[in-house]
Amino acid sequence: EAQVTQNPRYLITVTGKKLTVTCSQNMNHEYMSWYRQDPGLGLRQIYYSMNVEVTDKGDVPEGYKVSRKEKRNFPLILESPSPNQTSLYFCASSLDAGATRLGPQYFGPGTRLTVT
Amino acid sequence: AQRVTQPEKLLSVFKGAPVELKCNYSYSGSPELFWYVQYSRQRLQLLLRHISRESIKGFTADLNKGETSFHLKKPFAQEEDSAMYYCALTSGNQFYFGTGTSLTVIP
Repeated sequence: EAQVTQNPRYLITVTGKKLTVTCSQNMNHEYMSWYRQDPGLGLRQIYYSMNVEVTDKGDVPEGYKVSRKEKRNFPLILESPSPNQTSLYFCASSLDAGATRLGPQYFGPGTRLTVT
Repeated sequence: AQRVTQPEKLLSVFKGAPVELKCNYSYSGSPELFWYVQYSRQRLQLLLRHISRESIKGFTADLNKGETSFHLKKPFAQEEDSAMYYCALTSGNQFYFGTGTSLTVIP
């Protein structure tokens, strides 16, 4: 089944404790992206990747890191989480990349992160 | 700069009534616009893509470049349409989402 998976689905952590949220897709998509969803603010793009070893900042990259060592995986890293990073996080992937227009995105199930 | 605006946070309609969810955008080039839907406890999924001009689940959306709008419409709302709807635009290599409209269809 074609899908985007994220782990963990729920995470409660404390300020400053490094964490990683994994994202994997099995559709051979070039484009992958991370979003956070907050009430009243909708979805905001954190980072995106056009292909392996190519990553760029989105609208709200502060406090986050990503890596794209393999085409299928795009982990989100919070080196020192803070309470304002408490949010619902979505990973997404899309087929089109490069010179063509970006195609529709396929979303993961979401990871609810609470930082105390 | 705000690229996608959804002016209604909440929208309630009666079953069988027409529904229109508004989306306005700001973009200088030729936009690529989408509508995504998020049902309760489910992931976001694509509903419509303007370039395909399809009708999905009875919903349609027309790109109006003069008014910079991409409103989502359905002539007869169903209870299963109750969900969160997001309008989105691609600009370069990024996606921009509106703040979403929560639609409730009253039986």
